Amino acid sequence: EVQLVQSGAEVKKPGESLKISCVVNGYSFGDYWIAWVRQAPGEGLEWVGVVWPGDSHTIYSPAFQGQVTISVDISVNTAYLQWTSLKASDSAIYYCTRTENFHNSGWFDAWGQGTLVSVSS
Amino acid sequence: QSVLTQPPSVSGAPGQRVTISCTGTTSNIGAGYDVHWYQKLPGTAPKVLIYGNINRPSGVPDRFSGSKSGTSASLVITGLQAEDEADYYCQSYDRSLSGLAVFGGGTKLTVL
Repeated sequence: EVQLVQSGAEVKKPGESLKISCVVNGYSFGDYWIAWVRQAPGEGLEWVGVVWPGDSHTIYSPAFQGQVTISVDISVNTAYLQWTSLKASDSAIYYCTRTENFHNSGWFDAWGQGTLVSVSS
Repeated sequence: QSVLTQPPSVSGAPGQRVTISCTGTTSNIGAGYDVHWYQKLPGTAPKVLIYGNINRPSGVPDRFSGSKSGTSASLVITGLQAEDEADYYCQSYDRSLSGLAVFGGGTKLTVL
């Protein structure tokens, strides 16, 4: 069974750093792109960025470029999303998801359960 | 402002048919990129309902169907049921953004 299991909810203060994770099971980690998708309170889904685990090639949405870093550790089948200095506006649920074919019309066929990030002073 | 435009809300009575539109441009849907549809129930992760414009993953009822024409796509739900009440999102890619993924703004379906 394909599973993407995300780390738990986080409560942080502005300016703090954070790294959340997404562990995958049930398929070969290197065969699919891993993407991160944000849902801010009361808002829709926004694509944050994507990584190819095989070579850590990363592509970011222009809205998130320079604001977050996506990485992987292929030895533990895990993808990460990290911030160096959180802002209140980063408060949202973040989902990891996978696609076999980014760019060329791939769809996101399996999703993690979501990680709630709350940033408040 | 989402690249793909969806109506904020639609509604229908049980048993009725509803259509959710997803309007794009010649840079995304009209450029030939496929459209995919996701259902998001409150408190749960999105789930793919339609991929490749018209295809249903196994387990998705045939009450759900998709289509694409020109710069738009549609999700049609027939025989509306109470459990269909959810948010629905279309997703595609945009060549003006170097082929990056884009989502519609989402449509809240209310079953009356």
